[in-house]
Amino acid sequence: KQEVTQIPAALSVPEGENLVLNCSFTDSAIYNLQWFRQDPGKGLTSLLLIQSSQREQTSGRLNASLDKSSGRSTLYIAASQPGDSATYLCAVGTSGSRLTFGEGTQLTVNP
Amino acid sequence: NAGVTQTPKFRVLKTGQSMTLLCAQDMNHEYMYWYRQDPGMGLRLIHYSVGEGTTAKGEVPDGYNVSRLKKQNFLLGLESAAPSQTSVYFCASSNSGTKKEKLFFGSGTQLSVL
Repeated sequence: KQEVTQIPAALSVPEGENLVLNCSFTDSAIYNLQWFRQDPGKGLTSLLLIQSSQREQTSGRLNASLDKSSGRSTLYIAASQPGDSATYLCAVGTSGSRLTFGEGTQLTVNP
Repeated sequence: NAGVTQTPKFRVLKTGQSMTLLCAQDMNHEYMYWYRQDPGMGLRLIHYSVGEGTTAKGEVPDGYNVSRLKKQNFLLGLESAAPSQTSVYFCASSNSGTKKEKLFFGSGTQLSVL
């Protein structure tokens, strides 16, 4: 059974800092990996989607990498801003139409 | 842009009552999903649909039923609510499943079963 772990569970940083969020998964037989953002009381917004054949994806200040063989992905956020404060979840796509989610990292960026 | 709309946003039920959660998407997506989110458990797939008239079980389907009579709508039913079904429910949709496409989520329904 696929298991997805995100460490740390919570992170607090000062504004302007570059930071890395980590995601690990137990089964490397994945189709893709997605990073989502969830604001309090809201739904999830997909940030980046990395196919299993890709190594990384970039969108603005966000860069996500994927190392399928080691079962790891990182989300790099450059020059963090208070508006980046949210919970970030990773999810791996496996057989069928299933996504297996991690529990998320709650990020707080302090002004 | 409406995207994925869920109704209601909040609901309180008594044990044994029934209710239906409605999900509507205006992006002409084929695939639709129902997830529940619980502290310490993450998001778990309840049921999903790969097109109008189809449904399939996910990871935690017991106690729930679904219907996809129209392409744009995906209904989640609780026939006899139990306290264990207290959760936040999210609907999502995508054009070609989770293999290639991003998922688009609704804003969620907070359900409490007393």
